[in-house]
Amino acid sequence: EAQVTQNPRYLITVTGKKLTVTCSQNMNHEYMSWYRQDPGLGLRQIYYSMNVEVTDKGDVPEGYKVSRKEKRNFPLILESPSPNQTSLYFCASSQDGSLNTGELFFGEGSRLTVL
Amino acid sequence: QKEVEQDPGPLSVPEGAIVSLNCTYSNSAFQYFMWYRQYSRKGPELLMYTYSSGNKEDGRFTAQVDKSSKYISLFIRDSQPSDSATYLCAMMNSGYALNFGKGTSLLVTP
Repeated sequence: EAQVTQNPRYLITVTGKKLTVTCSQNMNHEYMSWYRQDPGLGLRQIYYSMNVEVTDKGDVPEGYKVSRKEKRNFPLILESPSPNQTSLYFCASSQDGSLNTGELFFGEGSRLTVL
Repeated sequence: QKEVEQDPGPLSVPEGAIVSLNCTYSNSAFQYFMWYRQYSRKGPELLMYTYSSGNKEDGRFTAQVDKSSKYISLFIRDSQPSDSATYLCAMMNSGYALNFGKGTSLLVTP
């Protein structure tokens, strides 16, 4: 089954404790991206990757890191989480980097709470 | 001014009603327009995709784009309780980032 898999789905952590949210897709997609979704603010892009070893900042990259060492994986790293990073996070992928097909495939989301 | 504006609702309609969901935008360079549907506790999924102006129909769903007014719409005919979800508009010029609206919450009551 074609899918984008995120882990963990739910996480409660404390300020400053490094964490990684993993994302893996099995569709051989070139493009991958991370979004956060907050009430009243909608979906905002954090980082995206056009292909292996190619990443770029989205609208809200502060406090986050990413890497794309393999095509299928795109982990999101919070080096020193803070309460304002409490959010619902989505990983997404698309067949090609142009997004001209319009279709992003989203994971089921990771709800992160930072105390 | 945010590039994409969308009324968050909530919008509540009886089963069988015609639903109209709308977004306005400010960037005249946008040429790709999409509607995503997001069920509770799920990720968004693509519902409709339109390039440039015009209408596109898919079953009970019709997407309209009016570039002169910078206004897009999604119509749902014969709405069903299973249509209850949040609907997100999204758009882009070309490139690698979609601009999403905040989403409109729709509830279709039996």
